[in-house]
This record gives sequence, C-alpha cells and structure tokens, in this order.
Amino acid sequence: DIQMTQSPSTLSASVGDRVTITCRASLSISDWLAWYQQKPGKAPKLLIYKASTLESGVPSRFSGSGSGTEFTLTISSLQPDDVATYYCQQYEGYSRYTFGQGTKLEIK
Amino acid sequence: QVQLVQSGGGVVQPGRSLRLSCSASGFTFSGYTMYWIRQAPGKGLEWVASIWHDGSDEYYADSVKGRFTVSRDNSKNMMYLQMNSLKAEDTAVYYCGREMPVTWWGQGTLVLVSS
Repeated sequence: DIQMTQSPSTLSASVGDRVTITCRASLSISDWLAWYQQKPGKAPKLLIYKASTLESGVPSRFSGSGSGTEFTLTISSLQPDDVATYYCQQYEGYSRYTFGQGTKLEIK
Repeated sequence: QVQLVQSGGGVVQPGRSLRLSCSASGFTFSGYTMYWIRQAPGKGLEWVASIWHDGSDEYYADSVKGRFTVSRDNSKNMMYLQMNSLKAEDTAVYYCGREMPVTWWGQGTLVLVSS
C-alpha cells in the first residue's frame, strides 16, 4: 500500500499567520491527492482535490500544491475557524486508498 | 440537497455481527461509487470498503477482508456494511461517503466492540 506521511503532527500558529502542512507519498501518485479538514465530533470536509483544485465553497485562503510524492496544504492567513485536524489522502487507483496520520492545528 | 443518513451502530461483543446502513437522498444514487471509511477513537481515517455504482465490484481493506461485506440496493437508495466476526480493533466511528475523494459524508455511527 502507498504510505502517506504528514508533517508536522501538531502545529501552533497565530491568527493571520501563513501555515503550511506537508504530505509525502511513498510512491508517485501523480496529483491524486486530497486534503480534508475535520473538526471534533464531525465528519471530515473536503478542501482540495487533484492536489490543487479548491472544492466549491472553500475559502480561497486554502491552497494546495505538489505532484508525484510531495504535496503541501497552505493557509495564507490563519483564522480562528481553521482550528481543526487536517488529513491528506491519496486516491490513485480503485482501492487501497490511504490517509496521512493527520496534523492538528491550534491557535497560539 | 445531498444527504447521507446512517444507522445501525452500537455496542457488540467480540465475534458477533452488526449491519450498518447508509440512506442516500438528493442525488442519483445509482450513478455513484460509494465508500465506507472508519476512524478509531482518537485516531486517523481508514478506508474500509468501496462498492461500484451498479454493485458489480467491491473492494476491501486487508484489515476487514473476509469479515465485512458491502452491498447496495439502488432501488431503495441504500448501502450496507455487514460486519461479521467483529474484533476490538474494529471499534470506530464508521462513515459512509460518496465519490472519491469523498465530497459528501454521512454523520458517522459508532461501533463499539467490547465484552
């Protein structure tokens, strides 16, 4: 299976900061990479798909980049509502989809 | 609007069975591959199973293969997850989802496997 490794595991930043989360795949997945946001007790919410395409309704401060094995999620100006855990996911192929272990984002 | 409403979770003893249901509305259910994804308490997300839009193909994670069966009834807009021989490590919140990546999620249902 393709392993997805996120870093950091936890991140503390101030409101207005630029925040970057990294995701690495153990094999090339082209751009079959999604990012989700999950708040406590809630289902995940899709933010970005195909590595860099913003899902409808998601604020433009979120952006994604990368291809192959290296990907990043960037929040250009951190807002209080962005406190959550973020997951990357590879969806290359028809099965064996895998997620990163998650990055918990907190406000300083 | 798109809705996925889940039912069927609960507490079950190890080795027993449980069936989860996912009721879909607001879209053409028969046109979409559907998924089950789970999340153990305090842990990350794990894909569990997939079923093709017409039910013609299914895929399973190695951790549940041979014990879990995904099915669907397109006439009722329903998807199911039959879970047999449950283990403590199957304890999780189970989500149903539409498409990959998952754009729409059910509300989640807790399965607690405990004696």
